[in-house]
Amino acid sequence: KQEVTQIPAALSVPEGENLVLNCSFTDSAIYNLQWFRQDPGKGLTSLLLIQSSQREQTSGRLNASLDKSSGRSTLYIAASQPGDSATYLCAVRLSGTASKLTFGTGTRLQVTL
Amino acid sequence: NAGVTQTPKFQVLKTGQSMTLQCAQDMNHEYMSWYRQDPGMGLRLIHYSVGAGITDQGEVPNGYNVSRSTTEDFPLRLLSAAPSQTSVYFCASSSRGVQPQHFGDGTRLSIL
Repeated sequence: KQEVTQIPAALSVPEGENLVLNCSFTDSAIYNLQWFRQDPGKGLTSLLLIQSSQREQTSGRLNASLDKSSGRSTLYIAASQPGDSATYLCAVRLSGTASKLTFGTGTRLQVTL
Repeated sequence: NAGVTQTPKFQVLKTGQSMTLQCAQDMNHEYMSWYRQDPGMGLRLIHYSVGAGITDQGEVPNGYNVSRSTTEDFPLRLLSAAPSQTSVYFCASSSRGVQPQHFGDGTRLSIL
């Protein structure tokens, strides 16, 4: 059974700092990995999707990397802003599993002024 | 763009009542899924569908039914509500293949 772990569970950083969120998974036979953002009381917003054949994806200040062989992904946020405060979730889709995602429990990020 | 629309946003039920959570998407996506989100447990897959007329069970299907009569709609039915089903429910959709999943804003359900 695929298990997804995110460390740390919570993180507080001052504005302007660069930071890294970690995601690890136990089964390396993944189809892709997706990073989401969730604001309190809201749904999930897709940030980045990395296919199993890719090493990284970038969108603005966000960069996600994937090392399938070691079962790890990182989300790098450059020059953090208070508006980045949210919970960040990673989810993996196993090969041959259609639309089924396995989620981590998330990292709650607070960016302070 | 409406994307994935879930109704209702909030609902309170009594134990033993039944209800249907609605999910509709306007992106012509083949894949649709239902997840529940509980504190400390992340999102867990309840049921999913890969196209109209095709559904399958996820990780936590007990107590829930689904059907997919059209591409657009994927309702989730609680047959006899139990307090353990108190949760936030999310519907998601994606097109076939490598595309990302899109989520609705969720339905917050409390069962007394």
